[in-house]
Amino acid sequence: GAGVSQSPSNKVTEKGKDVELRCDPISGHTALYWYRQSLGQGLEFLIYFQGNSAPDKSGLPSDRFSAERTGGSVSTLTIQRTQQEDSAVYLCASRYPGQGAGGYTFGSGTRLTVV
Amino acid sequence: KQEVTQIPAALSVPEGENLVLNCSFTDSAIYNLQWFRQDPGKGLTSLLLIQSSQREQTSGRLNASLDKSSGRSTLYIAASQPGDSATYLCAAPSTGANNLFFGTGTRLTVIP
Repeated sequence: GAGVSQSPSNKVTEKGKDVELRCDPISGHTALYWYRQSLGQGLEFLIYFQGNSAPDKSGLPSDRFSAERTGGSVSTLTIQRTQQEDSAVYLCASRYPGQGAGGYTFGSGTRLTVV
Repeated sequence: KQEVTQIPAALSVPEGENLVLNCSFTDSAIYNLQWFRQDPGKGLTSLLLIQSSQREQTSGRLNASLDKSSGRSTLYIAASQPGDSATYLCAAPSTGANNLFFGTGTRLTVIP
């Protein structure tokens, strides 16, 4: 597509439930990133996918968080046993990788509220 | 690890005024730097991308400069308009890291 698409745009879930957030990157962008933005905070890196390489999971805050990217395109971020502190906007971005590459393109995000 | 700092945290100006937003970063071994705009409740919109070989980049009323040696970038907005009201974020990569590091942003309000 023309841009990075994320769904759902809003998600309200009960504490303890699992949630899945979806990201559809720009076609041909081999690099995909997930970030989290808590209220009043900066963007926090979660995970990075590049092609068929093993993902960089160094930003995932706990083992309740996981992500996968199927076929080098669509990615799903899963949060198990959600907690109230997981409430945030989850942003996905894609780009062509490499030092001379272009910049990041972000989706509109998924606002997650855990009640 | 890259640390990105933006000042001021908030800025309020009357319409028509020129303004400068500041960004500093600790790891100067960057290959580019990117400025974004974020409207309330929205994602990030890329404004300008400056490659390390460039000293500045312009798009319309926006001009971004990059000084790697001093670890600084500025975003200049000319003839500000109420529609420019948003949070402006600066982001830079870091040696050995795959991701961008973001500042906490400058929240700009342009008063009609």
